[in-house]
Amino acid sequence: EDQVTQSPEALRLQEGESSSLNCSYTVSGLRGLFWYRQDPGKGPEFLFTLYSAGEEKEKERLKATLTKKESFLHITAPKPEDSATYLCAVRESGGSYIPTFGRGTSLIVHP
Amino acid sequence: DGGITQSPKYLFRKEGQNVTLSCEQNLNHDAMYWYRQDPGQGLRLIYYSQIVNDFQKGDIAEGYSVSREKKESFPLTVTSAQKNPTAFYLCASSGQETQYFGPGTRLLVL
Repeated sequence: EDQVTQSPEALRLQEGESSSLNCSYTVSGLRGLFWYRQDPGKGPEFLFTLYSAGEEKEKERLKATLTKKESFLHITAPKPEDSATYLCAVRESGGSYIPTFGRGTSLIVHP
Repeated sequence: DGGITQSPKYLFRKEGQNVTLSCEQNLNHDAMYWYRQDPGQGLRLIYYSQIVNDFQKGDIAEGYSVSREKKESFPLTVTSAQKNPTAFYLCASSGQETQYFGPGTRLLVL
């Protein structure tokens, strides 16, 4: 069973159509949850770190939220330049410091 | 500018050849990592190093080797024992919490 599951695998939106990406995790204790953006042929770009349930962080059109079992990446009024793959990773407390990555959500925003 | 550099951007390997991918960081991070990324498979950990002169195998270390002689550098060698090396290779480093990634190297087999 995957510790980190991202859904949907792929998402197509029209420009301006807000939506959310999901990252659910099953670790027993969370040390940190990380969101990255990856453009084709490039390395992942760090977006946010969340540490505790109820925490929220924002950057431009993106807002990340965290509960005890999942995180959402909300995209408000997306633009075509928001098209990318969004990766979620989880670091477990008391365990290895190596984060576990989900498989990502591929987002395409049509003009 | 602080960051992670990887070279080359593209690398071609012939049958039976060993090739080395370079990774350098100037973030003063202790930990460094190598991942392999294939379509639909997400990131898979090859090797990681917490300090100089020490490294551990990740989930898919077979056919790969690394060294960590300097804090700034963590080169990855893809040996001839790796039968399916075609992939996108990502190097990362971290301090206390967050991993930061390099731009990647795409390895192709001739």
